[in-house]
Amino acid sequence: IAGITQAPTSQILAAGRRMTLRCTQDMRHNAMYWYRQDLGLGLRLIHYSNTAGTTGKGEVPDGYSVSRANTDDFPLTLASAVPSQTSVYFCASSLTGEGNQPQHFGDGTRLSIL
Amino acid sequence: GQNIDQPTEMTATEGAIVQINCTYQTSGFNGLFWYQQHAGEAPTFLSYNVLDGLEEKGRFSSFLSRSKGYSYLLLKELQMKDSASYLCAVNSDYKLSFGAGTTVTVRA
Repeated sequence: IAGITQAPTSQILAAGRRMTLRCTQDMRHNAMYWYRQDLGLGLRLIHYSNTAGTTGKGEVPDGYSVSRANTDDFPLTLASAVPSQTSVYFCASSLTGEGNQPQHFGDGTRLSIL
Repeated sequence: GQNIDQPTEMTATEGAIVQINCTYQTSGFNGLFWYQQHAGEAPTFLSYNVLDGLEEKGRFSSFLSRSKGYSYLLLKELQMKDSASYLCAVNSDYKLSFGAGTTVTVRA
């Protein structure tokens, strides 16, 4: 079944540790996105990529990095986790980055930083 | 950043109609999306409006007025499975900004 897969589903992490959240899509979408969702704040864009080899910063990029080595994969890395990064993280993709096509979301990763 | 406002919560009875309003202030407007998100699940696409007017899709309709910075999502013939959060998202400069979401509870 075509779609977007995130791993892990959930994780508890000690502050200061490095963590990479994985995201893979098989829809051959050019654009991919990472969001965090916090109660009362809605989804906020962390980083995005309009095509393989390019990335851009979203609304809340500090403390996060991404790479886009190929079309299918878009990992998100927390270099040194802090408790304020406790959140639910969603990866999404769309056919292009022009913004006029719906984004398809993965099931999310629940991350707790202690 | 963008300023997107929608009510926090709404409650309605099964079979009724509910209208969820969304107001926004943005530059470089390039369309507005509505997503549905059940508790603990991923958001799923409902509708997209880029021109003024009403878009109807089964029991769900979405309206846009660009001059007023206003949209609404209309849910008709409510069913228990419609209990979810509904997210308004504005496309500005080719990036989506989301409202905090409206939690709709459908009562029997």
